[in-house]
Amino acid sequence: QVQLQESGPGLVKPSETLSLTCTVSGGSISNYYWNWIRQPPGKGLEWIGYLYYSGSTDYNPSLKSRVTISVDTSKNHFSLKLRSVTAADTAVYYCAREGRDYKFDYWGQGTLVTVSS
Amino acid sequence: DIQMTQSPSSLSASVGDRVIITCRASQSISSYLNWYQQKPGKAPNLLIYVASSLQSGVPSRFSGSGSGTDFTLTISSLQPEDFATYYCQQSYSTPYTFGQGTKLEIK
Repeated sequence: QVQLQESGPGLVKPSETLSLTCTVSGGSISNYYWNWIRQPPGKGLEWIGYLYYSGSTDYNPSLKSRVTISVDTSKNHFSLKLRSVTAADTAVYYCAREGRDYKFDYWGQGTLVTVSS
Repeated sequence: DIQMTQSPSSLSASVGDRVIITCRASQSISSYLNWYQQKPGKAPNLLIYVASSLQSGVPSRFSGSGSGTDFTLTISSLQPEDFATYYCQQSYSTPYTFGQGTKLEIK
């Protein structure tokens, strides 16, 4: 059974960089697209971007100038960096696998990141 | 970006009721439409993919239909564990986008 687990700081100061890692267990990171999705408290879901295991990426244009998603296949994990954060970036951040048929079939439990001084 | 609009935004229903949630895309997305259920404090859970395929392990009371721009999620007979928020999501093109959600509450 594939499992995803997000990790990283729960509090980030404004203007700094949010950094999260998603560790994949129970399966290989190869041959799939790996996504980051976020959800501000009490609001809906926003797709941040994805990375293919080979390293190619695609980002939401609304965040593209501030986002980098990268992979470490040797550790079976992928990472998110979001630069120059503001309070508007406060959200639960999820990692998710995009399986065959373009569906998010496995999700991490989510991690709340608060942007505050 | 493709805009996804769900209706209703909230819905009160009783155990045993048949419930239909609709999702409309701002342009044709063929059948690249997924449905998720989210309970408070939990990650979304995939119910239906490519508009009408039931994800493994999901009860058969959930079904999906539609293509092009108009889609529906039907719950044939509501169970207590079905009270949650439901989201549609298009996977036709990036940026992937979600509907605003439909909160299903107990009447």
